Amino acid sequence: NAGVMQNPRHLVRRRGQEARLRCSPMKGHSHVYWYRQLPEEGLKFMVYLQKENIIDESGMPKERFSAEFPKEGPSILRIQQVVRGDSAAYFCASSIGNGNLGNYGYTFGSGTRLTVV
Amino acid sequence: AQSVTQLDSHVSVSEGTPVLLRCNYSSSYSPSLFWYVQHPNKGLQLLLKYTSAATLVKGINGFEAEFKKSETSFHLTKPSAHMSDAAEYFCVVSEGSNYQLIWGAGTKLIIKP
Repeated sequence: NAGVMQNPRHLVRRRGQEARLRCSPMKGHSHVYWYRQLPEEGLKFMVYLQKENIIDESGMPKERFSAEFPKEGPSILRIQQVVRGDSAAYFCASSIGNGNLGNYGYTFGSGTRLTVV
Repeated sequence: AQSVTQLDSHVSVSEGTPVLLRCNYSSSYSPSLFWYVQHPNKGLQLLLKYTSAATLVKGINGFEAEFKKSETSFHLTKPSAHMSDAAEYFCVVSEGSNYQLIWGAGTKLIIKP
């Protein structure tokens, strides 16, 4: 079992470009969560998706950020017109169940480190 | 509302001496509590979790944590530090079946030879 796979590991974008971050959940997991870690801070919840559905996007910035988890393929976190403040590590986690952590828990990927120059 | 406070941003210990990383939480309901470790430029690894069973929780790599409801604390300890323990440690809380994890700001553990 390959675990949660995120790519790329490192991504450099110029201001105004688009960033696409990919997350392939563990085999058999149909729930995906994205978190952002700003420098010197803990992780902050962004969005929770199931296949083809956004369940909770309460942590997503209102503009420029979007996420999807299509029927086939990885989950994508898209950031349009990136700014320096978007520089962070973005982590994806997956779970087999509906996120009841007492029973299922999370498995995290290794993250994508986005640098905006 | 849930919150997590990690009382020390950095902790420095000598190899072979005990480790104590402090964590206090605020939660309205019965919380689930976790400790994660992040080695430099690596992913996040679950060390241990508390989910309303035994209050003393044993994790991987010799770490353990004790849930103290009266003190709203979940401190992480290890009897003897190893150089490979140098990393950043995060205390995390979740309420009930809430899938959102609330993270502390992290404690960097430095091991002196």
